[in-house]
Amino acid sequence: QKEVEQDPGPLSVPEGAIVSLNCTYSNSAFQYFMWYRQYSRKGPELLMYTYSSGNKEDGRFTAQVDKSSKYISLFIRDSQPSDSATYLCAPSGAGSYQLTFGKGTKLSVIP
Amino acid sequence: EADIYQTPRYLVIGTGKKITLECSQTMGHDKMYWYQQDPGMELHLIHYSYGVNSTEKGDLSSESTVSRIRTEHFPLTLESARPSHTSQYLCASSSISGRHNEQFFGPGTRLTVL
Repeated sequence: QKEVEQDPGPLSVPEGAIVSLNCTYSNSAFQYFMWYRQYSRKGPELLMYTYSSGNKEDGRFTAQVDKSSKYISLFIRDSQPSDSATYLCAPSGAGSYQLTFGKGTKLSVIP
Repeated sequence: EADIYQTPRYLVIGTGKKITLECSQTMGHDKMYWYQQDPGMELHLIHYSYGVNSTEKGDLSSESTVSRIRTEHFPLTLESARPSHTSQYLCASSSISGRHNEQFFGPGTRLTVL
């Protein structure tokens, strides 16, 4: 079993839709949960992160972590064509300098 | 402007050639990383460094080597390129003081070995 599982998609939605992206993980030591966004032919960039369980909101984006079920979610409200990218979840252990990446979910938002 | 740079962006080369992929960052970060990314696959860590003269191999076995002689520079070398080395190589850096280990990525080098 891989440490981080993420459905690679692709996922195609109409503009304005609510998007739900998810990951599951197996390592109980993970404490920080990051979401990276990667546009085509670019390097990943950090979108947001959460610490331990709970929700974190940043504009149209909400990150959610449920440590009891080892489930990570990213919600995008009012999705825009500019949100079309690959989204990678990347959990990390406390005090660890290494990230474990999921495969990424490729999202296309159709105008 | 603080940033992380990779050159070349694209490289097509023949089998057996020696290549060096360059990575430089101007953020003063202590930690630097090299990842390999194939289409539809996870980023795999192949090398990392926690400071000058410190380098370690990552989770994915790689025939490449790295050096860290200066804080800002972390080049990756392949002594004899093979078609199996065809991939995208991403360099990243992070600050030793960052609790959540936010890593900043360069734009990547897309390597094709014929």
